[in-house]
Amino acid sequence: SQQGEEDPQALSIQEGENATMNCSYKTSINNLQWYRQNSGRGLVHLILIRSNEREKHSGRLRVTLDTSKKSSSLLITASRAADTASYFCATQGNQFYFGTGTSLTVIP
Amino acid sequence: NAGVTQTPKFQVLKTGQSMTLQCAQDMNHNSMYWYRQDPGMGLRLIYYSASEGTTDKGEVPNGYNVSRLNKREFSLRLESAAPSQTSVYFCASLYSRGTGELFFGEGSRLTVL
Repeated sequence: SQQGEEDPQALSIQEGENATMNCSYKTSINNLQWYRQNSGRGLVHLILIRSNEREKHSGRLRVTLDTSKKSSSLLITASRAADTASYFCATQGNQFYFGTGTSLTVIP
Repeated sequence: NAGVTQTPKFQVLKTGQSMTLQCAQDMNHNSMYWYRQDPGMGLRLIYYSASEGTTDKGEVPNGYNVSRLNKREFSLRLESAAPSQTSVYFCASLYSRGTGELFFGEGSRLTVL
């Protein structure tokens, strides 16, 4: 399988805390993307980081990429209850390959 | 602007029955994809179509066929459904296979008894 893996599989935090999710992948990539999936819905794109970038910010999101370790992290700062969802990394080489996801619960 | 539309949203089949999942996008995207999502497995690519008139196998193509009917539509067919095909199926589209984001439909939940 060319899937990546997210760590942890599940994360529960209090509102206002930061949430960090990690992604490890196997293949060489052009870019890495993070997606969010609310329960029972489709995936929605959050942020893209290119293979020659090391860090990227978008609002409360911060993504890092270490191509030497084939890993990425997604940090959500000042989390809100509405951030409760599953988060997936996806690597784009010849195709898109998705990780197994992190289920985030933010407790109000 | 509807984005990516999948039908049906829910379907129950008996083993051996056939069905087609429909997907249409109105964003003039070139590439379209079919994924299945199973608990603990993330999303796995079944088939994709890089452009109108082309289709290619993904990670888990066995038991499925696809048709890229035109630029807008990409259908997934189960010829003889099996319980192992119980899953949530997602269609996605992409403007260009260069750097870009996937746009997903809301999913089709299929149960095979």
